[in-house]
Amino acid sequence: AQSVTQPDIHITVSEGASLELRCNYSYGATPYLFWYVQSPGQGLQLLLKYFSGDTLVQGIKGFEAEFKRSQSSFNLRKPSVHWSDAAEYFCAVLDTGRRALTFGSGTRLQVQP
Amino acid sequence: DVKVTQSSRYLVKRTGEKVFLECVQDMDHENMFWYRQDPGLGLRLIYFSYDVKMKEKGDIPEGYSVSREKKERFSLILESASTNQTSMYLCASSFVSGGETQYFGPGTRLLVL
Repeated sequence: AQSVTQPDIHITVSEGASLELRCNYSYGATPYLFWYVQSPGQGLQLLLKYFSGDTLVQGIKGFEAEFKRSQSSFNLRKPSVHWSDAAEYFCAVLDTGRRALTFGSGTRLQVQP
Repeated sequence: DVKVTQSSRYLVKRTGEKVFLECVQDMDHENMFWYRQDPGLGLRLIYFSYDVKMKEKGDIPEGYSVSREKKERFSLILESASTNQTSMYLCASSFVSGGETQYFGPGTRLLVL
């Protein structure tokens, strides 16, 4: 069965600093990978997704993620964090058989002024 | 824009009550999903549906049932609510082809007393 691990439960960064959120997955075939963001009290919004092709994918709000098959990783990055980026971030892999997502446990990002 | 709406943002119910959570999407998506979100556990799949009157169990279906009488509507039913079903419930929808993005509703926060 597939699984997703987000090893960091909580990260605090200063505004303007760079950010990297880690995600490791376990999946038998070529993975379809996603990053979602959840602001307090809200549903999930898609930041970016990887299906195939270029391993560096660009998303909304200045985020990018790099797929590394050898490391089974799909880390999310942003060069300069804004206070509005404070939220919870979820990495997910698509179970193509069920067409459903398997999520990691999430990383809560706090941004210091 | 895709819109997924959920009937309530907040619900308070008593133990033993029958609870209905409604989800409606406006993009003619074939697939619909119910997830449950708990701190530290991420999102877990309860039930999903590929088409009208079709339903499949997810990873944690116990204590829940679903109904899909119309393509745009997917209902989650708690037959006899219990305190351990206090949680955030998120509905999502997507097209049938593999790899399509899932779009999420704003969530329903359910408290069972």
